[in-house]
Amino acid sequence: KNQVEQSPQSLIILEGKNCTLQCNYTVSPFSNLRWYKQDTGRGPVSLTIMTFSENTKSNGRYTATLDADTKQSSLHITASQLSDSASYICVVSAGGSYIPTFGRGTSLIVHP
Amino acid sequence: GAGVSQSPSNKVTEKGKDVELRCDPISGHTALYWYRQSLGQGLEFLIYFQGNSAPDKSGLPSDRFSAERTGGSVSTLTIQRTQQEDSAVYLCASSLTPPSGGAAQFFGPGTRLTVL
Repeated sequence: KNQVEQSPQSLIILEGKNCTLQCNYTVSPFSNLRWYKQDTGRGPVSLTIMTFSENTKSNGRYTATLDADTKQSSLHITASQLSDSASYICVVSAGGSYIPTFGRGTSLIVHP
Repeated sequence: GAGVSQSPSNKVTEKGKDVELRCDPISGHTALYWYRQSLGQGLEFLIYFQGNSAPDKSGLPSDRFSAERTGGSVSTLTIQRTQQEDSAVYLCASSLTPPSGGAAQFFGPGTRLTVL
């Protein structure tokens, strides 16, 4: 069964600090992995996509990594801002399947 | 380009009543998904529409749930005889093609359903 596990479940950091969120998956055959940001009361918004051949990709202060061998991904947030407070969801798509597998998300709170 | 819109944004209903939730996807997006998100939980897949193909209803939790998509555009999710456990946020998403091909899903703001 395809599964996506995220850790930690929740995280509290001070503004300006860095943090790293983890995603482990058992989706097969792997097609791609997306990180979404979901603000409270809003729908998720895509931050970045990782394909099999990509190891790292940046989008502003967000940097995603992918290790296809160990089936792990991380999302690193640099110099956090209050607006980074949100839920971050890891979503993995399998080749030949049109229903992606969602993780439960990591709830990030950035305090001033 | 407007994004995905959903209506109503909030719906409070009494147990046993029927409700209809509406989703307007991004124009030209052939794939449309409905998800349910309970408090503190991940997104739960409900149903998938792709073009004119028969929908994948494998995620619908019971026969009280149904959905249709008219003209390959607007979709309606109907819940009959609502129960308190149906209370959740219902999210709609559309994508140009299925996500396995690399397309991002674009989500609406959701409908928060409360069953009293």
